[in-house]
Amino acid sequence: DGGITQSPKYLFRKEGQNVTLSCEQNLNHDAMYWYRQDPGQGLRLIYYSQIVNDFQKGDIAEGYSVSREKKESFPLTVTSAQKNPTAFYLCASSPAGLAGVLGGNEQFFGPGTRLTVL
Amino acid sequence: AQSVTQPDIHITVSEGASLELRCNYSYGATPYLFWYVQSPGQGLQLLLKYFSGDTLVQGIKGFEAEFKRSQSSFNLRKPSVHWSDAAEYFCAVGARNKFYFGSGTKLNVKP
Repeated sequence: DGGITQSPKYLFRKEGQNVTLSCEQNLNHDAMYWYRQDPGQGLRLIYYSQIVNDFQKGDIAEGYSVSREKKESFPLTVTSAQKNPTAFYLCASSPAGLAGVLGGNEQFFGPGTRLTVL
Repeated sequence: AQSVTQPDIHITVSEGASLELRCNYSYGATPYLFWYVQSPGQGLQLLLKYFSGDTLVQGIKGFEAEFKRSQSSFNLRKPSVHWSDAAEYFCAVGARNKFYFGSGTKLNVKP
């Protein structure tokens, strides 16, 4: 079955530690995204990547880092510089092409990872 | 700048009643509009999308949405709500490889 997987589902971290969230897709999509979701604030874009070895900052990139070494993988690292990392993190992917450039391709979402800082 | 507004944070309807969730957007060009649904602790699932053409769009689970350019709105409707529709609903605008999401509307369904 094609889809997006995120692991782990729940993650606990001590303050001052970096942690990496996994996101893998087998949909052959070019574009991948990371969102952060907090109650009452909807989804906020952290980073996105339109192609392998390239990525751009979203609206709230501070304290986060990503890599895109393979088409199917887009891991997110939450660093100790992120002051309030407790949140629900969602990964998404979408096809590219002209429709994607214009924003017309829907995004497919993974099940999410809930990160809690202890 | 692009933005999406969902003015209702919470809505409660009785099972079998009709539903309308509001969405207003701000975007300079022709918008690509989407509605997603999220169950607690889960990812988002696409309900429907509008690109062009007929302004009344049919989606999954009996939902529909109407695009009104003059009002910059894309409201989601369902004629008869089921208890399983209780979830959070997000409106989104697609533009230049990015999505802009509203803050969501939580739907409660009374028996």
